[in-house]
Amino acid sequence: ETGVTQSPTHLIKTRGQQVTLRCSSQSGHNTVSWYQQALGQGPQFIFQYYREEENGRGNFPPRFSGLQFPNYSSELNVNALELDDSALYLCASSSLTAGTDTQYFGPGTRLTVL
Amino acid sequence: AQKVTQAQTEISVVEKEDVTLDCVYETRDTTYYLFWYKQPPSGELVFLIRRNSFDEQNEISGRYSWNFQKSTSSFNFTITASQVVDSAVYFCALRAGPAGTASKLTFGTGTRLQVTL
Repeated sequence: ETGVTQSPTHLIKTRGQQVTLRCSSQSGHNTVSWYQQALGQGPQFIFQYYREEENGRGNFPPRFSGLQFPNYSSELNVNALELDDSALYLCASSSLTAGTDTQYFGPGTRLTVL
Repeated sequence: AQKVTQAQTEISVVEKEDVTLDCVYETRDTTYYLFWYKQPPSGELVFLIRRNSFDEQNEISGRYSWNFQKSTSSFNFTITASQVVDSAVYFCALRAGPAGTASKLTFGTGTRLQVTL
């Protein structure tokens, strides 16, 4: 196990609602990255947080936003949910200040938008 | 821009067969890192290996081996004597830029490996 945890495991929402997903990073890690994985696809980078600031963003609209807290845990918020937001959301923990910054993933949150 | 191509969508083998998963990457950066992850049905991505662009040595870890060739921009993964527990989706990923800088992972579309008895 990586020590990266995510909650909730599963979530069902309706179109237009808002959702918050949570991630706790591995001990000693200061960076959290979020990815969206649609069914049958590879994960797509949403954004990365380092020292509580956004540190890189993929091609996702502003209704995808995030936070990182002083303990390095993180939240992903999605507003105005659309059907296409249905996916597995993966959080990855790493350390940008270590010589190696391999990303270790949590178990994911499966979001279904109806 | 970075790109990772895994041309094999699905591979089926019988237990104890050897299998090679192909990965071809594109990047203009001279410093980059390549990864392989395994995704079992539970969904969690499990880290297998990380290789930097300056280290072309092949690596063997138990039944797993990796062949990195910069000349062909390939980073292939071989499982020797496959087992049913190897059944999963395998992703190759690329991270451009030196360690310690912010950078995303670019993933391929994955290869689904099915190992049967």
